[in-house]
Amino acid sequence: GQQLNQSPQSMFIQEGEDVSMNCTSSSIFNTWLWYKQDPGEGPVLLIALYKAGELTSNGRLTAQFGITRKDSFLNISASIPSDVGIYFCAVRDTGTASKLTFGTGTRLQVTL
Amino acid sequence: NAGVTQTPKFRILKIGQSMTLQCTQDMNHNYMYWYRQDPGMGLKLIYYSVGAGITDKGEVPNGYNVSRSTTEDFPLRLELAAPSQTSVYFCASSTLNYGYTFGSGTRLTVV
Repeated sequence: GQQLNQSPQSMFIQEGEDVSMNCTSSSIFNTWLWYKQDPGEGPVLLIALYKAGELTSNGRLTAQFGITRKDSFLNISASIPSDVGIYFCAVRDTGTASKLTFGTGTRLQVTL
Repeated sequence: NAGVTQTPKFRILKIGQSMTLQCTQDMNHNYMYWYRQDPGMGLKLIYYSVGAGITDKGEVPNGYNVSRSTTEDFPLRLELAAPSQTSVYFCASSTLNYGYTFGSGTRLTVV
């Protein structure tokens, strides 16, 4: 199956720092999504990207859809303790059923 | 606004036992999915459905079965539980071209 490579696997940062993570694929995809998973919960959609080169923000979060359609990055500015969790990238299958393939996740820890 | 509801939240099974993980959504979404999440891994698709009466295999379907008799419900059946099925199971629903809404998961341990 399709593989998405996410990096880094984990990050330990101090409150107030900016965070950057990325996701790459060997194939082209037309939709990239970023999810966050809090401990003990299901993933929640943060940002959806539908156009190559698109830069989209959601509060302190900014995500970009790579121009090659094979990558995406997510930035978090001025991190706060509630940013702790696992961040997943996902791509949408071009076939029917809107299936998503998920990356292996970036685990973010924020220290005070 | 319940969204996607999964039951139970936790379960311990003995090897060879069977169980059904329940999933229901109240958003009238046509598409529903079952994923499993193993420690340190992403989510792997087990089965999915594009509407009532239609189901199909995902990436890791072996050892599981599903049915979709209504738009709202999409139960996942484990017939002969094995230790390899110890995982966290997530149900999700969506409409075409939008992101998924996930349930809060079922944590299953097979001993």
